[in-house]
Amino acid sequence: ILNVEQSPQSLHVQEGDSTNFTCSFPSSNFYALHWYRWETAKSPEALFVMTLNGDEKKKGRISATLNTKEGYSYLYIKGSQPEDSATYLCAPSGGYQKVTFGTGTKLQVIP
Amino acid sequence: EAQVTQNPRYLITVTGKKLTVTCSQNMNHEYMSWYRQDPGLGLRQIYYSMNVEATDKGDVPEGYKVSRKEKRNFPLILESPSPNQTSLYFCASRQFLPTGTGVEDTEAFFGQGTRLTVV
Repeated sequence: ILNVEQSPQSLHVQEGDSTNFTCSFPSSNFYALHWYRWETAKSPEALFVMTLNGDEKKKGRISATLNTKEGYSYLYIKGSQPEDSATYLCAPSGGYQKVTFGTGTKLQVIP
Repeated sequence: EAQVTQNPRYLITVTGKKLTVTCSQNMNHEYMSWYRQDPGLGLRQIYYSMNVEATDKGDVPEGYKVSRKEKRNFPLILESPSPNQTSLYFCASRQFLPTGTGVEDTEAFFGQGTRLTVV
């Protein structure tokens, strides 16, 4: 089982604040890194799939960076809105093999 | 509409009574997998399948079986459910696209979830 760590476990931010969280994973046997957004009572939804060291992806106010050599990825949310409240999961993939999810960062945006 | 459909959404059953949770996807994805979600533990992979008749164990396969006879379907079978299998279950599918140098991993699509209670 891969050791995937996400930090912080939870955080509360005020509406309009920008925030970021971290996903750490073993750098060996890396294939891809997935980020998902998971709202309460819904299913996880894909945000990004990243593969290249130094890669940066953006979707609206959310962006992510990837460092495969040191084994970490950052997720940034600019100008947080209440609808951003969710748990954000990262999952490194070894290709066709098992996928291991982190326990997630639970974000609460306070209006 | 691209989707992964799980049934049932909710199920309460008794210990030892065999049950099947169905999962079907309409995107022609080769790769499908089952996860369970428990408080404080996150999503843990139960089984995965790389294609028809190709399945393998994930991190927590004990007490579960799967089959992949058709590309679109990947049922999860609990032959003799026990209370420690009470959990929220998700099915997911994704595609690996061929590139010039290998294959590209793409986003996973998740089903709506099945909340199972074993008493």
